[in-house]
Amino acid sequence: SSELTQDPAVSVALGQTVRITCQGDSLRSFYASWYQQKPGQAPVLVIYGKNNRPSGIPDRFSGSSSGNTASLTITGAQAEDEADYYCNSRDSSGNHLNVVFGGGTKLTVL
Amino acid sequence: EVQLAESGGGLVQPGGSLRLSCAASGFTFSSYWMSWVRQAPGKGLEWVANIKQDGSEKYYVDSVKGRFTLSRDNAKNSLYLQMNSLRAEDTAVYYCVRGVATILYWYFDLWGRGTLVTVSS
Repeated sequence: SSELTQDPAVSVALGQTVRITCQGDSLRSFYASWYQQKPGQAPVLVIYGKNNRPSGIPDRFSGSSSGNTASLTITGAQAEDEADYYCNSRDSSGNHLNVVFGGGTKLTVL
Repeated sequence: EVQLAESGGGLVQPGGSLRLSCAASGFTFSSYWMSWVRQAPGKGLEWVANIKQDGSEKYYVDSVKGRFTLSRDNAKNSLYLQMNSLRAEDTAVYYCVRGVATILYWYFDLWGRGTLVTVSS
């Protein structure tokens, strides 16, 4: 199956912009989706497809993609954005109806 | 209210079995792919299995093939995960999730609160 690689940890100063990346061969064929997970809570979808935000997600969250890398950008990070972030996509090897997740990135807002 | 509610988790011995259930409400259950995603303690998310709207197609991560069986009852708005031959490495919070699949992406837009499965002697 495919693999998605994320940096384990990233930090950003309050109000600044941060980019969280996700790399993998499957991203050459499929878009990534992104999830935010705070301690003790279930994940929440923040970005899906090319760059779509579900209702209720602030517009400071955006997504982009180039080659084998997908990115989640938070423009003007807030204290409440401190969380774990995961990417996922369809599996490009073998069965395309399988799903893969990245290992997650812990975002610290300083 | 649109929600998913898992049940059936607990402590089970290695080699044992457990059946997880997920009750869906507030949306047309039969219109969606449904999945289970798990998270071992202190670890990341791992996709476990998908089932098509009518139950005709099912897909599993390699580590659970032959041990876990996913099913659904659209009349009862319910999803099930039968887990057999459980191993210590199956210990995790199991999330019931609603999926949206297109030719270019797959995302999970609704998550339950999760149910903890602990496999230990």
